[in-house]
Amino acid sequence: GAVVSQHPSWVICKSGTSVKIECRSLDFQATTMFWYRQFPKQSLMLMATSNEGSKATYEQGVEKDKFLINHASLTLSTLTVTSAHPEDSSFYICSARDPTGEDTGELFFGEGSRLTVL
Amino acid sequence: GDSVTQMEGPVTLSEEAFLTINCTYTATGYPSLFWYVQYPGEGLQLLLKATKADDKGSNKGFEATYRKETTSFHLEKGSVQVSDSAVYFCALSTASSNYKLTFGKGTLLTVNP
Repeated sequence: GAVVSQHPSWVICKSGTSVKIECRSLDFQATTMFWYRQFPKQSLMLMATSNEGSKATYEQGVEKDKFLINHASLTLSTLTVTSAHPEDSSFYICSARDPTGEDTGELFFGEGSRLTVL
Repeated sequence: GDSVTQMEGPVTLSEEAFLTINCTYTATGYPSLFWYVQYPGEGLQLLLKATKADDKGSNKGFEATYRKETTSFHLEKGSVQVSDSAVYFCALSTASSNYKLTFGKGTLLTVNP
């Protein structure tokens, strides 16, 4: 199946700094990627839909100036957490849809990136 | 809007026990249905899927049948193993929602030897 890779898998930063997380589709071109956030022992919350070559679409309640998403190529989307604070500590997961072949709506997920803000 | 309701956990079983995790959904149109599994500290992996009514998805001994009449997609396994311990998410997507996945809250399964 299609492979999605995230980097870094974990990061620790000081409050006030910015952190960038990369999401790559390794063997397919992803025109659309999705960014999720997961709090401990909870489900995944969709943050935004990243569209190649255009602005991301953010879900209600998600600060677009706080969580900058860039989808500059068909294989790479980045999420930058700007001026991070401890409450931004979370597990961030990206996913992508492989538009080739049978389109069942299945999403392929990255390994996740655990952010800890001190 | 679309929604998924999953059986509340946690679920604790002994090895070789029978597993059922209930999942029901509400959606406009004809959704695709999925079960994803998340092992500790990892991302999500697709466990199985079904794209139309009466389809049965199966993988690694797990099964789920797309029941349109009861809007359900219950996950079952006849004999669980310790390695099945994980969080299981039921999810749906529709073309009309641009394939955004709507997840249930997840069910933590712990299998003891």
